Amino acid sequence: SQQGEEDPQALSIQEGENATMNCSYKTSINNLQWYRQNSGRGLVHLILIRSNEREKHSGRLRVTLDTSKKSSSLLITASRAADTASYFCAEESRGSTLGRLYFGRGTQLTVWP
Amino acid sequence: DARVTQTPRHKVTEMGQEVTMRCQPILGHNTVFWYRQTMMQGLELLAYFRNRAPLDDSGMPKDRFSAEMPDATLATLKIQPSEPRDSAVYFCAAGTGGLETQYFGPGTRLLVL
Repeated sequence: SQQGEEDPQALSIQEGENATMNCSYKTSINNLQWYRQNSGRGLVHLILIRSNEREKHSGRLRVTLDTSKKSSSLLITASRAADTASYFCAEESRGSTLGRLYFGRGTQLTVWP
Repeated sequence: DARVTQTPRHKVTEMGQEVTMRCQPILGHNTVFWYRQTMMQGLELLAYFRNRAPLDDSGMPKDRFSAEMPDATLATLKIQPSEPRDSAVYFCAAGTGGLETQYFGPGTRLLVL
């Protein structure tokens, strides 16, 4: 299976703290993406990092990519209760049909007020 | 604002019945993906289309599932006959092919009794 894996499976923190989620993948990639899913909703794209990039920022989100270790991390700074959701990484593998993504199992983040 | 819509949002049916799920992709987004999400398997890709032509349906049980895109504004996923193990949330997602981001619909929550 090409499915990536997020770590930890679940994370519980207080508002204001930083949340770090990790993703490991198995193939050579064109890009790696992070998505968020609120309970009962569809996935929402957060950020994309290309294989030749090492770090990317978007608001309170910071994503890093280490292609030598086939891993990525998502950092949410100064977390809020509204950040409570599941977070998924998805890899677009080099050589796969353009646009096809392989999603991990997700990290369930709970942010307590 | 442009978004992917799915109908129905919820479906309860009995084993053996036909189930049809519909998706309206964002206008101009020529790539459509069907996913199934369960607690056990996570997010699985069932099939996807580009410019209405099927690109990959290897994730779909062929004996009971079928996916079509009769026109650019409608994609359908049918299960006939349905089985309890088909109970899941089915998501449609749209992309543009050239851009890698996928835009997810709200999902159809299916329960087969």
